[in-house]
Amino acid sequence: KQEVTQIPAALSVPEGENLVLNCSFTDSAIYNLQWFRQDPGKGLTSLLLIQSSQREQTSGRLNASLDKSSGRSTLYIAASQPGDSATYLCAGFDSWGKLQFGAGTQVVVTP
Amino acid sequence: GAVVSQHPSRVICKSGTSVKIECRSLDFQATTMFWYRQFPKQSLMLMATSNEGSKATYEQGVEKDKFLINHASLTLSTLTVTSAHPEDSSFYICSARVDSIYYGYTFGSGTRLTVV
Repeated sequence: KQEVTQIPAALSVPEGENLVLNCSFTDSAIYNLQWFRQDPGKGLTSLLLIQSSQREQTSGRLNASLDKSSGRSTLYIAASQPGDSATYLCAGFDSWGKLQFGAGTQVVVTP
Repeated sequence: GAVVSQHPSRVICKSGTSVKIECRSLDFQATTMFWYRQFPKQSLMLMATSNEGSKATYEQGVEKDKFLINHASLTLSTLTVTSAHPEDSSFYICSARVDSIYYGYTFGSGTRLTVV
């Protein structure tokens, strides 16, 4: 069974610093990987989807990489802003399309 | 595009009553939808997979008779929590796969259920 781990569990940085969020998975047969953002009491907002044949995806200040051989994905957020404060979840899915979530990294960006 | 609308966002019900939560795909057809449960400070746990026109597939440990799932059309899936108890209080989120796994998943805004 695929297990997904996110480190750190929580992170607090001053505004302007770059954020590095880590996600590791046990089964290298992972198909795709998706990063989400969750605000308190809200649903999930998709940030980036990395397909199995890709190594990274970029959207604005966000960049996510995927290394299937080492079982890792990293989400970089450049020049963090207070509005980036949220919980970030990574989820891997297998060829059946079943998602397995990490526990999330809670990010606080202080002004 | 690829928006999933979930209602209600919050519901408070009395113990022993039933509550229905709706999940609609607004601008695409979702043959498969997923229902998750999330406890405070924890990640999402998949409860069941809902397929249009057929019975839902439940994860191990999820009571089929308590959490009734209906996926009667390509744009609507419902989760009914029957005979709710305080321990059913949680955050429920639905999700749909956009077209195929190549395009990832989109999630509803969640429903906070409180059973008193």
